[in-house]
Amino acid sequence: EVQILETGGGLVKPGGSLRLSCATSGFNFNDYFMNWVRQAPGKGLEWVAQIRNKNYNYATYYAESLEGRVTISRDDSKSSVYLQVSSLRAEDTAIYYCTRSVPKTGTFDYWGQGVMVTVSS
Amino acid sequence: DIVMTQGALPNPVPSGESVSITCRSSKSLLYSDGKTYLNWYLQRPGQSPQLLIYWMSTRASGVSDRFSGSGSGTDFTLKISGVEAEDVGVYYCQQGLEFPDTFGAGTKLELK
Repeated sequence: EVQILETGGGLVKPGGSLRLSCATSGFNFNDYFMNWVRQAPGKGLEWVAQIRNKNYNYATYYAESLEGRVTISRDDSKSSVYLQVSSLRAEDTAIYYCTRSVPKTGTFDYWGQGVMVTVSS
Repeated sequence: DIVMTQGALPNPVPSGESVSITCRSSKSLLYSDGKTYLNWYLQRPGQSPQLLIYWMSTRASGVSDRFSGSGSGTDFTLKISGVEAEDVGVYYCQQGLEFPDTFGAGTKLELK
């Protein structure tokens, strides 16, 4: 069974930083791309970042609205993916979901339960 | 960026009725490989989104055959045949053709 579990959320002051972690199991992590997608309270879904697998040289892609403030990384030995977010703003307040993608499908086929990040003084 | 525009439903919908949710993209999602990179998700209240349909018309594993997807390169429809209580939530379309992946604003389904 595919399992995706995000951790690391919480309350952060504006200008602060946060590192989100996503631990996975139940599938061959090396075969998949991984993403972060976020959802502000009461709002829709916004793709944040993608990291591809070794076959695609671990290429990374970011939403323009966050570029320069976020870094996605992965540790294949731990079947985990991470999102480092810095210079946090109130508008970064959201549930952050870790999602899996089958390479070259453009699809998020499995989602974690999400982790809440609140940016407030 | 590709803009995804979703239509609304005449909520609440009577149980057992069939409904169609529309989605339009600002650019054709038909790629040279013959696939149309349009996906549908359902987010039930308090839950994470789940994949329903990918490549415009292929049901994801375990998804009821009451859900069907259709469309052209820019206009898409998700049909739910015989709405049930478990179908309540917000439906999102998403394009996976090019970065950034973008979602529609969502279409809420409420049951009468």
